[in-house]
Amino acid sequence: GAVVSQHPSRVICKSGTSVKIECRSLDFQATTMFWYRQFPKQSLMLMATSNEGSKATYEQGVEKDKFLINHASLTLSTLTVTSAHPEDSSFYICSAPLAGGGETQYFGPGTRLLVL
Amino acid sequence: TQLLEQSPQFLSIQEGENLTVYCNSSSVFSSLQWYRQEPGEGPVLLVTVVTGGEVKKLKRLTFQFGDARKDSSLHITAAQPGDTGLYLCAGDETSGSRLTFGEGTQLTVNP
Repeated sequence: GAVVSQHPSRVICKSGTSVKIECRSLDFQATTMFWYRQFPKQSLMLMATSNEGSKATYEQGVEKDKFLINHASLTLSTLTVTSAHPEDSSFYICSAPLAGGGETQYFGPGTRLLVL
Repeated sequence: TQLLEQSPQFLSIQEGENLTVYCNSSSVFSSLQWYRQEPGEGPVLLVTVVTGGEVKKLKRLTFQFGDARKDSSLHITAAQPGDTGLYLCAGDETSGSRLTFGEGTQLTVNP
């Protein structure tokens, strides 16, 4: 099946620094990718929709200047958490629908962010 | 925003028991997906149901999509410790669009 990778898998940073997370579709092209955040023992919360070649669409309550999304190519979307704070610590997961595959979305393995 | 109510949120059972997880909404979905997630990993797709009344089986797992495409259920027969995990249902309004996730069901199967 289709594969989505994320890098890094884990990151620890100091408060105030920025962290970039990459999401790649390895064997298919994705004009759209989705970014989710998941807190412990909770479900996935959609943060934004990343669109190749255009601006991302953010969900209500998600600060676009805080969570910068760039979808520069058909296989890569990046999420940058700017000026990270401890409350940004979470599990960030991306997904991509397989074009022509109907409803199926493939999820990355997630990135664990810990802000000290 | 469509909401998906998933129940129960937590379930702890003994090996060999059967269980059912429910996913309900007041809205209609074009499709509904079930995922299983292990700690520290991304969700893994189990099944996608698209037709009202559809039933799909995956070994000991049986998935059903309601006739009105507003609800779904996951039934596990003779649960095993390896079935332990977070089960998530997710629906979308339009094919390939953003998914709405249920709250998740944390299943623990004790040996």
